[in-house]
Amino acid sequence: GQQLNQSPQSMFIQEGEDVSMNCTSSSIFNTWLWYKQDPGEGPVLLIALYKAGELTSNGRLTAQFGITRKDSFLNISASIPSDVGIYFCAGQGVGTYKYIFGTGTRLKVLA
Amino acid sequence: DAGVTQSPTHLIKTRGQQVTLRCSPKSGHDTVSWYQQALGQGPQFIFQYYEEEERQRGNFPDRFSGHQFPNYSSELNVNALLLGDSALYLCASSLRIQRGPRETQYFGPGTRLLVL
Repeated sequence: GQQLNQSPQSMFIQEGEDVSMNCTSSSIFNTWLWYKQDPGEGPVLLIALYKAGELTSNGRLTAQFGITRKDSFLNISASIPSDVGIYFCAGQGVGTYKYIFGTGTRLKVLA
Repeated sequence: DAGVTQSPTHLIKTRGQQVTLRCSPKSGHDTVSWYQQALGQGPQFIFQYYEEEERQRGNFPDRFSGHQFPNYSSELNVNALLLGDSALYLCASSLRIQRGPRETQYFGPGTRLLVL
């Protein structure tokens, strides 16, 4: 099925470090959503972005809607052990209701 | 404020059988989308229901069908189950915004389906 390119695929970081991940598409999107998913559970919404260039924060998380409307970025500052999980981006294209998800970034935090 | 709920949590079926999964949207939401998530992959869009009708469909065969009820809850039906249908099935609800899409979707915990 169709998926967005998300990188990195996985990363190990030390507690307290900052984390960056991104998502790219070949087509333009109107909306970007970022989710975190723990094993065996449903994705939990972290941040929603609705406008090109928009920068939105949620606690230690900051996400940006790329100005080309083909990419988005998520940053986590001062990571903690509970940040462990899989992070997914999801984009909604023009004139469509479905969301296309990224391949996921698996984050592991070393205490 | 009740979130999205799904039932059952787990299900085991054999090839050729039929299955029905259920979803209740978040309070105040009127739109339900269904996704299939295979192990190690991102969710794949199956279809979306609004006003009791299928509004958009992804690349899934007709064996996958759905229904939305007047109270906005929804069912996903899968006929003639195949081994490859084993996955986590996720329901997401949203509130339709009058001026086009841009609906923020909230997911339920999912139903884990295993087909033997």
